[in-house]
Amino acid sequence: EVQLVESGGGLVQPGGSLRLSCAASGFTLNNYWMHWVRQAPGKGLEWVANINRDGSGKYYVDSVRGRFTISRDDAKNSVYLQMNSLRSDDTAVYYCARDPGSRSDHWGQGTLVTVTS
Amino acid sequence: DIVMTQSPDSLAVSLGERATINCKSSQSIFYSSDNKNHLTWYQQKPGQPPKLLIYWASTRESGVPDRFSGSGSGTDFTLTISSLQAEDVAVYYCQQYYDVPHAFGGGTKVEVK
Repeated sequence: EVQLVESGGGLVQPGGSLRLSCAASGFTLNNYWMHWVRQAPGKGLEWVANINRDGSGKYYVDSVRGRFTISRDDAKNSVYLQMNSLRSDDTAVYYCARDPGSRSDHWGQGTLVTVTS
Repeated sequence: DIVMTQSPDSLAVSLGERATINCKSSQSIFYSSDNKNHLTWYQQKPGQPPKLLIYWASTRESGVPDRFSGSGSGTDFTLTISSLQAEDVAVYYCQQYYDVPHAFGGGTKVEVK
């Protein structure tokens, strides 16, 4: 069974950092692009970043470029999102998702990041 | 960047009736190299992650009921629920995979009238 489990969320002050993890199981991670998508409380979905199969290609939405870094460790079956210089508008549930080709077919349950002083 | 615009923001449909959601992209999301429209539809229920319904504009994901269908090409797309069931109450999102950033539409909330 395909599973994605996010962790690492929590409460952080503006300007702080967090590292989110997405543990994958039930499939071979290096066969897939992976995405991070977030959802602010009561709001819609926002695509944040993705990474290609070998980790050589990483893409970001403008609002996080230069502050967030996506990475993967296929040996550990994990994808990460390092988030620095956090702002209040980064407050959201962060989901990781698997991409078999032009869609996200499996999603984790999400991890909540709250940025507040 | 490609902007995705959904309409309406919400709609109320009687059980058994048809629900239609529209999604418009600011530029064509049709790839001539693979002859596909890179448009995906998701369903999200409260407290749950999104669930994939339709990809390549009209290909239904395995296990999705056939009352869900997708159509359209280029810049204009539609998700149709042919006969609304109570379990279809949710927010529906379109997303383009033509280019990064892979923007979502703003969502359409579907309720029972």
